[in-house]
Amino acid sequence: NAGVTQTPKFRVLKTGQSMTLLCAQDMNHEYMYWYRQDPGMGLRLIHYSVGEGTTAKGEVPDGYNVSRLKKQNFLLGLESAAPSQTSVYFCASREKRQGKLGTEAFFGQGTRLTVV
Amino acid sequence: KQEVTQIPAALSVPEGENLVLNCSFTDSAIYNLQWFRQDPGKGLTSLLLIQSSQREQTSGRLNASLDKSSGRSTLYIAASQPGDSATYLCAVRLIKAAGNKLTFGGGTRVLVKP
Repeated sequence: NAGVTQTPKFRVLKTGQSMTLLCAQDMNHEYMYWYRQDPGMGLRLIHYSVGEGTTAKGEVPDGYNVSRLKKQNFLLGLESAAPSQTSVYFCASREKRQGKLGTEAFFGQGTRLTVV
Repeated sequence: KQEVTQIPAALSVPEGENLVLNCSFTDSAIYNLQWFRQDPGKGLTSLLLIQSSQREQTSGRLNASLDKSSGRSTLYIAASQPGDSATYLCAVRLIKAAGNKLTFGGGTRVLVKP
C-alpha cells in the first residue's frame, strides 16, 4: 500500500528554472494539500484541492501554481524558482469530512528542494 | 487566527522514563486534532487522531488526551525507548478553515538517551 508518493525526493535548481513536483495518492481521497516546511516557520499551506479539477490558495501561494486534473494526482509547479523557495515540500491527502467527524491526513515523504 | 503552540521545543529524557508532550491551541472550534511523528529528513507519520467529541485516544504505548474547552492536548508516551527519538508535531483542523486545512504547532524534538 503506497499511500502518498512524492517525486522527486531531492532536486537542486538554478534561480529562474522551472520544475513540477508530483504527488500521487492511491486511497481515493478527495482532498489534497501542498505544504512547505522551513526551520522556525513550521508547516505552511501553499495550495490545496477539494476535488478533481479544483484548486485553491493557501497561506503562501505566491510563486507556485497547482493542477488537479486527475483525482489521484496533485501537481505543484514553480515557474521561475527563487532561493526563497528552498524548502522541504510535503503533500498530504485525506478523505472528505464525514458529518462532524474530521478525517485523518496522510503525508508523503517530502521533496527537498534547493534553489541556488 | 488559530495559533498552535508546543512547549517545550526540545526534550531529553533517559530511556524508560515517560514522555509528556504538550500542545495548546487558541480556537476551540475544531473538528479534530492529530499527532504526528517526524524523523530527521523524513515525512510525517500519523500517530493518533482525536475527534473533537473525544477525550482521549490510545495506541500501544501512546495516549493522547484532548481538552477542547481549555485548548489543550497532551501526548503521553510510556516507557520511552531510544527509537522514540524524533520530532512530534500536533495539528488541529479548524471548523472554519478553508479546505479544512491543518494548522501545525512548531513541534517538540525528543531525544531518548540509552
